[in-house]
Amino acid sequence: GAGVSQSPRYKVAKRGQDVALRCDPISGHVSLFWYQQALGQGPEFLTYFQNEAQLDKSGLPSDRFFAERPEGSVSTLKIQRTQQEDSAVYLCASSFSSSTDTQYFGPGTRLTVL
Amino acid sequence: GNSVTQMEGPVTLSEEAFLTINCTYTATGYPSLFWYVQYPGEGLQLLLKATKADDKGSNKGFEATYRKETTSFHLEKGSVQVSDSAVYFCALSVSSGGSNYKLTFGKGTLLTVNP
Repeated sequence: GAGVSQSPRYKVAKRGQDVALRCDPISGHVSLFWYQQALGQGPEFLTYFQNEAQLDKSGLPSDRFFAERPEGSVSTLKIQRTQQEDSAVYLCASSFSSSTDTQYFGPGTRLTVL
Repeated sequence: GNSVTQMEGPVTLSEEAFLTINCTYTATGYPSLFWYVQYPGEGLQLLLKATKADDKGSNKGFEATYRKETTSFHLEKGSVQVSDSAVYFCALSVSSGGSNYKLTFGKGTLLTVNP
């Protein structure tokens, strides 16, 4: 079946531009996660949704980062006024429930801010 | 806080060699432990996991044992193949409010297996 998909796969933005990154989770998955992976590092947690509710946004690095999942399915991560330090791969993952279920990762969106 | 330390790469081996990638952790609470693998051009995939002390996770010939006394979860494979070339990430999650969801990752170890 279809896995987690993300779009675009690559995004180049000029410093100060706003960007929106999309995640389509596996159908029926309740939980959705966003992670940020800087070059040469492991992924770092950004935020977690259970259905449409954002239950944890403790990893969002600044108020320029905003995530939503209005209908409990597709999610969008928005970054306002991008900075060079925002350059990273943004990973989305989903899982069937909110407990210890395996997280299935998408291929990521590579964001480069010039 | 929670953290994961894994051996620096890159690791280069010949086919059929024995593989060990070391992973140690610190955690507030009782963690579940994971190894994820990222093949070239693909997303992260769960390789194996263990949820309590002395559990052994295994998959595709890879094994790792949850060692609470040494806070370790080393990844091993007896005979690697070229197709095992990938980046391997050790990770943990700690239960919070009844949910175990926030993964904390190590930096990853690049493995290259030559024929």
